[in-house]
Amino acid sequence: GESVGLHLPTLSVQEGDNSIINCAYSNSASDYFIWYKQESGKGPQFIIDIRSNMDKRQGQRVTVLLNKTVKHLSLQIAATQPGDSAVYFCAEKAGAQKLVFGQGTRLTINP
Amino acid sequence: EPEVTQTPSHQVTQMGQEVILRCVPISNHLYFYWYRQILGQKVEFLVSFYNNEISEKSEIFDDQFSVERPDGSNFTLKIRSTKLEDSAMYFCASRSRERNYRPGELFFGEGSRLTVL
Repeated sequence: GESVGLHLPTLSVQEGDNSIINCAYSNSASDYFIWYKQESGKGPQFIIDIRSNMDKRQGQRVTVLLNKTVKHLSLQIAATQPGDSAVYFCAEKAGAQKLVFGQGTRLTINP
Repeated sequence: EPEVTQTPSHQVTQMGQEVILRCVPISNHLYFYWYRQILGQKVEFLVSFYNNEISEKSEIFDDQFSVERPDGSNFTLKIRSTKLEDSAMYFCASRSRERNYRPGELFFGEGSRLTVL
């Protein structure tokens, strides 16, 4: 199938700590994954992507890890800041153009 | 920085009425999308549009829905006869062809909230 899902609906971390948001997928043929951030009242915003021929990709303060063996990907945010508070969605490319989004994890940063 | 703009930000309509949601994608983008998000739920794909035709659509996108690019800048979503379950936030998105190596890099607008009474 083409489902993606997240382990936890909410995550609370202290400002300055690292955050790890997890996502599981079911289709072993999936070959492209994306993380989006959605702030309150806004549309989703692209963060980072990864293809299945990689197991790690880094951006600015973010790292995505892909474990194809257990069909799991994670988004790590280093030194979280108040501006990181948002809902984070993993998504997979499930057709020529279609993206399938997971349920989302709400990240809350405590001061 | 260029952005996707959507109007209206909020529309309230009676069940059975027609609704048109409008979007102005980023000017040099060639791929256009509509997604929707029912309150508190995940973002769902509706339709993609490229080269003046629908390239892909979901089961949600039935005969009540249509899309159009009437004038080379606007991209519209029409719901012919709204139902209560059409109440959602509708997001327009666009993507650059120059960045085809990054097919998941969609630029979303801020959404149009549709409330069907």
